[in-house]
Amino acid sequence: EPEVTQTPSHQVTQMGQEVILRCVPISNHLYFYWYRQILGQKVEFLVSFYNNEISEKSEIFDDQFSVERPDGSNFTLKIRSTKLEDSAMYFCASNRGQYNEQFFGPGTRLTVL
Amino acid sequence: AQSVAQPEDQVNVAEGNPLTVKCTYSVSGNPYLFWYVQYPNRGLQFLLKYITGDNLVKGSYGFEAEFNKSQTSFHLKKPSALVSDSALYFCAVREGNQAGTALIFGKGTTLSVSS
Repeated sequence: EPEVTQTPSHQVTQMGQEVILRCVPISNHLYFYWYRQILGQKVEFLVSFYNNEISEKSEIFDDQFSVERPDGSNFTLKIRSTKLEDSAMYFCASNRGQYNEQFFGPGTRLTVL
Repeated sequence: AQSVAQPEDQVNVAEGNPLTVKCTYSVSGNPYLFWYVQYPNRGLQFLLKYITGDNLVKGSYGFEAEFNKSQTSFHLKKPSALVSDSALYFCAVREGNQAGTALIFGKGTTLSVSS
């Protein structure tokens, strides 16, 4: 069964450093998403991406964040200058279309020191 | 604005008993409703969804959910709980008729099934 994969599973970085989180969505999916879950809190939407552009973003997704689909298979989330409060589990998700459920990857745990 | 409420932080049930995890929603248009389950240190797994049609939706692992438009609810149910059902359950909503729309999640309900 196809699944969304994410790398790395855990990333530790120093405050102010740039990080890139990587995702490989399911191959025939057209819509891609990033969510985050701060420890003990609910899952929060960051951004959605379709047809090589951002279709929707939340207020969390400020200028420090960017997304890219560089090669037709990977979908990346970049945080330019990490802050302590960026520490969270980041989930990538994808789906085929508006009527379809989103499939989530296993997540990347980001720890900012 | 869209929102989801899961009024219970935790639900405790004995194995073999029926379980209900509650969810209410608020959305301006037609709701698309979802339930996901999260096991420790794992991602979110899709259980079931309501888009349109029958109000009773059947999903994975014997779970079902009932859409009630007048009460704006989408409670998750299972006739006979298993210890292995113990996990964190999230209800989510999105507005229909728009592609690539974000899911809005509730805060989650921890289900604990005792043997």
